[in-house]
Amino acid sequence: AQTVTQSQPEMSVQEAETVTLSCTYDTSESNYYLFWYKQPPSRQMILVIRQEAYKQQNATENRFSVNFQKAAKSFSLKISDSQLGDTAMYFCAFRNNAGNMLTFGGGTRLMVKP
Amino acid sequence: DVKVTQSSRYLVKRTGEKVFLECVQDMDHENMFWYRQDPGLGLRLIYFSYDVKMKEKGDIPEGYSVSREKKERFSLILESASTNQTSMYLCASSRDRTSGRVITDTQYFGPGTRLTVL
Repeated sequence: AQTVTQSQPEMSVQEAETVTLSCTYDTSESNYYLFWYKQPPSRQMILVIRQEAYKQQNATENRFSVNFQKAAKSFSLKISDSQLGDTAMYFCAFRNNAGNMLTFGGGTRLMVKP
Repeated sequence: DVKVTQSSRYLVKRTGEKVFLECVQDMDHENMFWYRQDPGLGLRLIYFSYDVKMKEKGDIPEGYSVSREKKERFSLILESASTNQTSMYLCASSRDRTSGRVITDTQYFGPGTRLTVL
């Protein structure tokens, strides 16, 4: 079974600065998908970014980018120019190539301070 | 926009009661999921359904059952609620990953139901 670990339960960052959230995972598969989801306070969880393991290029979505290190089984999320609206719980998730189900990490609570 | 709705935002029940949590999606998604979210544990999958009347157990199905009589609706049932089922329950839906040429496996989440069992 796959496991996903987020080692930082809480983080904070000053507005406009850059922050990196860590995620490691364990799998024996060679092809899979990785995701970062964001859950703002009292609001619905939404997808931030996804990465296919067979792609070497790191995914980017505006201010959000990932550092995918397949050999190290690491998938960190970098948020540039942090905004107050980035305050949320962030979850890293894994999906194997054959399935529809996600395995989530324990989450990182990010606070962006003005 | 995809919309996933859940019947209640907050629910308080007593030990031993039968509890129904309802989830409805409006995007004709094949897949629907029920998770529970607990601090430090992230989201854990309770049950998954990939079609009407079809279901698969997730990581923590004990004490729960599900029903999917219509494609858009997925119900989670606590047959006899217990205090250790106090949690946030999240529903999600997604298109089957093999639909079309593009993998569209993004899961869309509902707002959650915070259930307290006294």
